[in-house]
Amino acid sequence: RKEVEQDPGPFNVPEGATVAFNCTYSNSASQSFFWYRQDCRKEPKLLMSVYSSGNEDGRFTAQLNRASQYISLLIRDSKLSDSATYLCVVNRNTDKLIFGTGTRLQVFP
Amino acid sequence: EAGVTQFPSHSVIEKGQTVTLRCDPISGHDNLYWYRRVMGKEIKFLLHFVKESKQDESGMPNNRFLAERTGGTYSTLKVQPAELEDSGVYFCASSQGRTPLFEQYFGPGTRLTVT
Repeated sequence: RKEVEQDPGPFNVPEGATVAFNCTYSNSASQSFFWYRQDCRKEPKLLMSVYSSGNEDGRFTAQLNRASQYISLLIRDSKLSDSATYLCVVNRNTDKLIFGTGTRLQVFP
Repeated sequence: EAGVTQFPSHSVIEKGQTVTLRCDPISGHDNLYWYRRVMGKEIKFLLHFVKESKQDESGMPNNRFLAERTGGTYSTLKVQPAELEDSGVYFCASSQGRTPLFEQYFGPGTRLTVT
């Protein structure tokens, strides 16, 4: 079983839609959580960290449920430029990042 | 400020040959990481340097892989001899300090194909 599980998608949504991605992690020792974005054939880039209280950055909202070992990312008012793969990443208080396989989002006009 | 750079961007070699990948971290970043994505799988950690010292090499798949960071600046990852299953994208990342307090910045990757 993978340590970080994500629905690979693709999620195909129209511009302006709201879309949510979920991710589960299996190791309860995980302490830090992130969403990375990866464009096709490019490097992963940090989108946002995820905090227990939930956090928002513009159109993006991330939530963490430690009891259920579940992380989510909500994107409101989707733009064409949001098309990418979204990687759920956890960290167990070492320097190693543990990645999910990613969820692909395609926003169409 | 220049980001993490990697060379080459692509490499195609035959099984049994040797390949050396290079990573130049962001200037001043003492922490350097290697990751790998094999087709259809998730990105996986290989190892972590702090300056020239290997801090964690728990992700290195076997002794055909050798990473070095002489002088604590750029790093090389050598695969010798390469096998078909080594094909994938090798990412390097660097950070100013320890995770999770400091962000890891990734390079564009080296796409390795072993035929």
